[in-house]
Amino acid sequence: AQSVSQHNHHVILSEAASLELGCNYSYGGTVNLFWYVQYPGQHLQLLLKYFSGDPLVKGIKGFEAEFIKSKFSFNLRKPSVQWSDTAEYFCAVIPYNQGGKLIFGQGTELSVKP
Amino acid sequence: EAGVAQSPRYKIIEKRQSVAFWCNPISGHATLYWYQQILGQGPKLLIQFQNNGVVDDSQLPKDRFSAERLKGVDSTLKIQPAKLEDSAVYLCASSFAGGRENIQYFGAGTRLSVL
Repeated sequence: AQSVSQHNHHVILSEAASLELGCNYSYGGTVNLFWYVQYPGQHLQLLLKYFSGDPLVKGIKGFEAEFIKSKFSFNLRKPSVQWSDTAEYFCAVIPYNQGGKLIFGQGTELSVKP
Repeated sequence: EAGVAQSPRYKIIEKRQSVAFWCNPISGHATLYWYQQILGQGPKLLIQFQNNGVVDDSQLPKDRFSAERLKGVDSTLKIQPAKLEDSAVYLCASSFAGGRENIQYFGAGTRLSVL
């Protein structure tokens, strides 16, 4: 079945460590790609998005993601995490034939130890 | 700018009871979405409105779930009767228009527990 997969359910890092969260999707054709973040007690908010153009996109708070079409991947990265990055991160896709319907991965919980 | 407003924030009911959730989107946003997020999973779209018309309700369990957006602004989502498996967070989102390049803004959600 077509889906969005996030490789890690729970990641624990120390402050200043580098972060990479994996995301793969199984839809063919053109896709729009998103990473959303949900900080504890807060609503889902957009971290970054890719529609077209440069496959390396930069978002808020020092996050970036790289779209690799051949690998159907859109991994999220940050060179040095902070305690305040503790949150749940969701990868999401809108396939070309799905209107505005966001299809989410299962989420990755990131815990950053001070 | 005010965000997407949802109420109530929490609701506890017994199975077979009915429940309703309310959503007020960002002013000027024509498209409104309801998502269901079960614990440990990502949100799943239940229904999408464009103004007061339904665009996609393919994943809405229509035997028990209903939703409306009568005046193209506020929306309500109802479950009647509720089942244990309906325990989840119900998220409302809105965007300026429908389509793949419109950013969706989410509300804080309503956490439903069915006992």
